[in-house]
Amino acid sequence: DAKTTQPTSMDCAEGRAANLPCNHSTISGNEYVYWYRQIHSQGPQYIIHGLKNNETNEMASLIITEDRKSSTLILPHATLRDTAVYYCIVRPPQGGKLIFGQGTELSVKP
Amino acid sequence: DTAVSQTPKYLVTQMGNDKSIKCEQNLGHDTMYWYKQDSKKFLKIMFSYNNKELIINETVPNRFSPKSPDKAHLNLHINSLELGDSAVYFCASSSRQGANEKLFFGSGTQLSVL
Repeated sequence: DAKTTQPTSMDCAEGRAANLPCNHSTISGNEYVYWYRQIHSQGPQYIIHGLKNNETNEMASLIITEDRKSSTLILPHATLRDTAVYYCIVRPPQGGKLIFGQGTELSVKP
Repeated sequence: DTAVSQTPKYLVTQMGNDKSIKCEQNLGHDTMYWYKQDSKKFLKIMFSYNNKELIINETVPNRFSPKSPDKAHLNLHINSLELGDSAVYFCASSSRQGANEKLFFGSGTQLSVL
């Protein structure tokens, strides 16, 4: 599975957009990019995933670069409840184990 | 209703004891998982079952034995507990394998071995 690199931590002001980057320069052509988050003392929560095209759902937007070597998760209007560790994961289409890295600890501040 | 529920939420026990953690999902999913999160917060997969059949078994000591009595349940039994087993254990389930698989996690069981 391709490895991902994320900043260890980020801050964001409440109400502003949070842009979380992820590098996956060794991603294969058919591997998907998944994002999960883990709020303190809770289990991880699925956010979004994509292959090539940008994706949007009720939680976030996922922007994948044309060469697919990096992506950005966007929380359009961050709230205090978005404070969590965000994990970017690359996964083959046939599925298999979900491998979590270190993630980015996002702190949303008032 | 909680989609993936684990019991107990906290488990404190002595070294050498045997303990079980139970997991139930009411989502109708076919696949269930156990993950371990250590003190450094790394999440690692331990086991995966699909329709009661073991499909993923990471390098986990054989003191850990998962049991799936039916599709909705995946219990984790741990024999001869050691200090290093202290961690948070998460159960998860998903509806299908493949590209659109989404995992739903329980709230975790914090195991402390004294």
